[in-house]
Amino acid sequence: AQKVTQAQTEISVVEKEDVTLDCVYETRDTTYYLFWYKQPPSGELVFLIRRNSFDEQNEISGRYSWNFQKSTSSFNFTITASQVVDSAVYFCALSEGNNDMRFGAGTRLTVKP
Amino acid sequence: DAGITQSPRHKVTETGTPVTLRCHQTENHRYMYWYRQDPGHGLRLIHYSYGVKDTDKGEVSDGYSVSRSKTEDFLLTLESATSSQTSVYFCAISATGLAGNTDTQYFGPGTRLTVL
Repeated sequence: AQKVTQAQTEISVVEKEDVTLDCVYETRDTTYYLFWYKQPPSGELVFLIRRNSFDEQNEISGRYSWNFQKSTSSFNFTITASQVVDSAVYFCALSEGNNDMRFGAGTRLTVKP
Repeated sequence: DAGITQSPRHKVTETGTPVTLRCHQTENHRYMYWYRQDPGHGLRLIHYSYGVKDTDKGEVSDGYSVSRSKTEDFLLTLESATSSQTSVYFCAISATGLAGNTDTQYFGPGTRLTVL
């Protein structure tokens, strides 16, 4: 079965610092989908991005960017110039297209003013 | 807003009692899911549904059952709640017309369940 590892349990940065959240995945499929979700202190899960295995192009959305590297089975998430509102738990997830999406344990990011 | 509501939002119950959680969607999505969230585990799939009366097990289905008698509602039942089922439960939907499910899942607000 597929597996997602988020080795960083907690990260603390000061506002305006850049921060990268790591995500390493395992799968035997050649077609799969990777996701990032944000869970702010209020508890809801917010979808951030979805990436297909056949599209390794990196993506930037404002202060957020994602680096997908199949060679290292990684899908890392960088926040540039972090803000207090970025404080949340971030989850990386992997789907092989079989209704069994697997989540990493999450990384708790704290951004201090 | 994916139009997903969950009820109740909070529940405290005692070991051995039955509990039913409800997920309601307003946008006629075919696929619906139940997850539980526990510290150190992220979210884990309990059961999912791919249509009315069509359901299947997920990674952690033991102790849970589900039903989907109409498109908009997906019920999760703990027949006899145990303390190990204390968790936050999330419902999710995805919309797909393709074989398999490759579409993004959107989540409801969650239900915090405490089993004493």
